[in-house]
Order: sequence, then structure tokens, then C-alpha cells
Amino acid sequence: NAGVMQNPRHLVRRRGQEARLRCSPMKGHSHVYWYRQLPEEGLKFMVYLQKENIIDESGMPKERFSAEFPKEGPSILRIQQVVRGDSAAYFCASSRYRGNTEAFFGQGTRLTVV
Amino acid sequence: AQTVTQSQPEMSVQEAETVTLSCTYDTSENNYYLFWYKQPPSRQMILVIRQEAYKQQNATENRFSVNFQKAAKSFSLKISDSQLGDTAMYFCAFMIWYTGTASKLTFGTGTRLQVTL
Repeated sequence: NAGVMQNPRHLVRRRGQEARLRCSPMKGHSHVYWYRQLPEEGLKFMVYLQKENIIDESGMPKERFSAEFPKEGPSILRIQQVVRGDSAAYFCASSRYRGNTEAFFGQGTRLTVV
Repeated sequence: AQTVTQSQPEMSVQEAETVTLSCTYDTSENNYYLFWYKQPPSRQMILVIRQEAYKQQNATENRFSVNFQKAAKSFSLKISDSQLGDTAMYFCAFMIWYTGTASKLTFGTGTRLQVTL
């Protein structure tokens, strides 16, 4: 049973480009969380999705950031017109159902904006 | 809003010794969970131990145990018989539990633990 898969592991983008980060949850998991980790800081919640629904987006910046989790395929975190301040590690976690307190994390995508 | 504070940015312990990492939190909620996560250099976030707030008994997982003081809002992690593989960042985290529903994790800033020979 494969764990949470995130790709790419490393992503370099120039300022102004778009970044797409993918997260495939564990098999049978239909809930996905995205977190951002700035250098030397803890993880900060961004968004919580269930398939085809956004449950909680209270941590998402209002502009340039969006997330989706379609019925088929991985969850995507999209950052438009990236800026240097977007450089961070982005983690995805999945859980089987809404009441499950144990979320399994992927290895993260390190985004570097040059 | 919930906050989690880890006041020890770095700690060091010798192999086979015991070390305690501190964590305090602030919340007005009654139903919640507390966690310790380990992040080794590989960056993978690994769940070490979990504590339900309604349980008075402290959680234990092999060499890892917690001291949960609900009134003091304190949740420390004790690692016994430290091993080189325990070298990592350790994050304390908090989750509100709504009836039947888990929610997002709120993390502290982490403690970097170095286990030495």
C-alpha cells in the first residue's frame, strides 16, 4: 500500500511563472490537507479538501493560490505568478474519512522561486 | 485561535540517555487531540504519538511517552534510551475535535534534537 505521493519533489520556477504541485493520497483516502513550511518554521495549514469539495480554505492566501481535488486523479495545489516569498516546502496529508485524526503525510515538494 | 509553543529550538542528548521536549498550547476548546511529529532530514513527517484530551492516562509508544497536563495546557515528549535515528526536528501539534470530524493541525515551531555518541 503506497503512501501519500507528492510530485515533483523539487520544483524551480522563475518569478511570474505558475507552479503546480500534485498529491496522490493513500489508497482509500478521500480527504486531503495541504500545509506550507517556510524555512526554519513549523507547518502552516492551507486548505482541507474532500473529493470535489473544499471543506476549509481558511489558510489559503486570497490571491494566486488555488486547490482542487477532483473525483479522479490527484489533488493539485496551484500557485499563479509565483514570487520569491512562495519558496517553501509544501506538504500534503491524507486521511480515510472525516473523523480520522491520523493524517499520513507525503514527503513534500520543495518549491524554489528564482 | 489555537496556538502551540515549543520553547526549545535545539536540544542535544547522548545515545541511550533520556530527553524531554516541551510543548505548551492555548485553547478554549474542550475536545481536542495533541500530537508529536518527527521530521528527519528526509523531510517526511512521521507521527510519533497521539493523545486524546479526554483521556487522563498518558500515551506511550515504545520508547516515547508524553506527560499531558491538561490544566496547565502542557504536553511534553519524553524519549527514553535515545538512538542516533532519533535525530530530527520534533513538532508538537494540536487538532480540535468536532463531533465526528477531525480538523486541521496547528503546529509549533519545532525542536531540533541531536543525538550524539
